[in-house]
Amino acid sequence: DAGITQSPRHKVTETGTPVTLRCHQTENHRYMYWYRQDPGHGLRLIHYSYGVKDTDKGEVSDGYSVSRSKTEDFLLTLESATSSQTSVYFCAISEGAGSSYEQYFGPGTRLTVT
Amino acid sequence: ILNVEQSPQSLHVQEGDSTNFTCSFPSSNFYALHWYRWETAKSPEALFVMTLNGDEKKKGRISATLNTKEGYSYLYIKGSQPEDSATYLCAPDNTDKLIFGTGTRLQVFP
Repeated sequence: DAGITQSPRHKVTETGTPVTLRCHQTENHRYMYWYRQDPGHGLRLIHYSYGVKDTDKGEVSDGYSVSRSKTEDFLLTLESATSSQTSVYFCAISEGAGSSYEQYFGPGTRLTVT
Repeated sequence: ILNVEQSPQSLHVQEGDSTNFTCSFPSSNFYALHWYRWETAKSPEALFVMTLNGDEKKKGRISATLNTKEGYSYLYIKGSQPEDSATYLCAPDNTDKLIFGTGTRLQVFP
């Protein structure tokens, strides 16, 4: 299995509080991604990174920010959590950009916003 | 945003049956198509990455074909086994970002 961990694995938080999720990899892959998984939707891209300090928005980036200060860590921050952000969040990594490179997924973080 | 459709949404088959499902996507601006297998309580795992029209890939009893001109890919499972039970996701690649379909959920009964 690719060396990807996510922390925390489960979190319950209140509306309006900031939340940070961490993705850590030991593969030295350049690309890292944050997705959310909701019933009735495919995995939806929130933000991705193509190198240290290089990030870009995905399909559903509103209300989220990211940072990547080291190759191995990619942080996802919910600036002020809302109930609509209750979801399962997956981090993924890949050696290169989409076309020829498969993505490896972390175990997921289940976030509940009450 | 690409419109990715997978059909059927779910499928129940008996052990030993062969099955197939479809992923449809717009044929313009195509770069690649990924297939992932997602078992309950686990993370998605890559099955295939396909880039060329006419590509065929195989891994054990699972195979896939790609038609980029008409915008579809088929995933086939020969002789389904209970351990094949999972959701199968396809994801076409549009400008370095994967757009995932909602998946086909396969259940194989002994």
